[in-house]
Amino acid sequence: EVQLVESGGGLVQPGGSLRLSCAASGFTFSTYGMNWVRQAPGKGLEWISYISSTSNTIYYADSVKGRFTISRDNAKNSLYLQMNSLRAEDTAMFYCARERSDSSGPDYWGQGTLVTVSS
Amino acid sequence: SYVLTQPPSVSVAPGKTARITCGGNNIGSKSVHWYQQKPGQAPVPVIYYDSDRPSGIPERFSGSNSGNTATLTISRVEAGDEADYYCQVWHSSSDHHWVFGGGTKLTVL
Repeated sequence: EVQLVESGGGLVQPGGSLRLSCAASGFTFSTYGMNWVRQAPGKGLEWISYISSTSNTIYYADSVKGRFTISRDNAKNSLYLQMNSLRAEDTAMFYCARERSDSSGPDYWGQGTLVTVSS
Repeated sequence: SYVLTQPPSVSVAPGKTARITCGGNNIGSKSVHWYQQKPGQAPVPVIYYDSDRPSGIPERFSGSNSGNTATLTISRVEAGDEADYYCQVWHSSSDHHWVFGGGTKLTVL
């Protein structure tokens, strides 16, 4: 059974940093592209970052480019999101999502981890 | 950037048919995926590649895609179908890898 479990969320002050993790199991992690998607309270889904299976290709949404860094450790079956210079508007539930083999969309989602940016 | 437009809300009586649209420029040339999200839960895929249903999704859920509009149709709506629904396409650009519609709140009257 595919499982994605996020952790690392919490309350952080504006300008602070946080590192999210996503532990994957139930599939061969090293062969799938992975993504982070966030959802602000009461708002819709926003794709924010993608990393290919080998980490060779990385994409970011404009809203997080230069502040967030996606990475992965295939030996540990883990995905990460380093978030720096956090702003109030980054407050959201962050989901990791495995993408389909053709990259067209997510086929499995984690349950999410909540990040709150507030003083 | 590519924009997907959904109606904010759709209301339907139990047993009737709900149709949720997703508008985008020439969306018919893209594959559209649909997700259901209930309060406090992660999104769940309900339609892949315009009209395919993942295992476990009732046949009441169907999809179509043509021209500038994709449509999610839910037949014989049940109270348990009340949720937010999102359409999504792959834009395959470095800053818009996946594009989501704004979401539609389905209310079962």
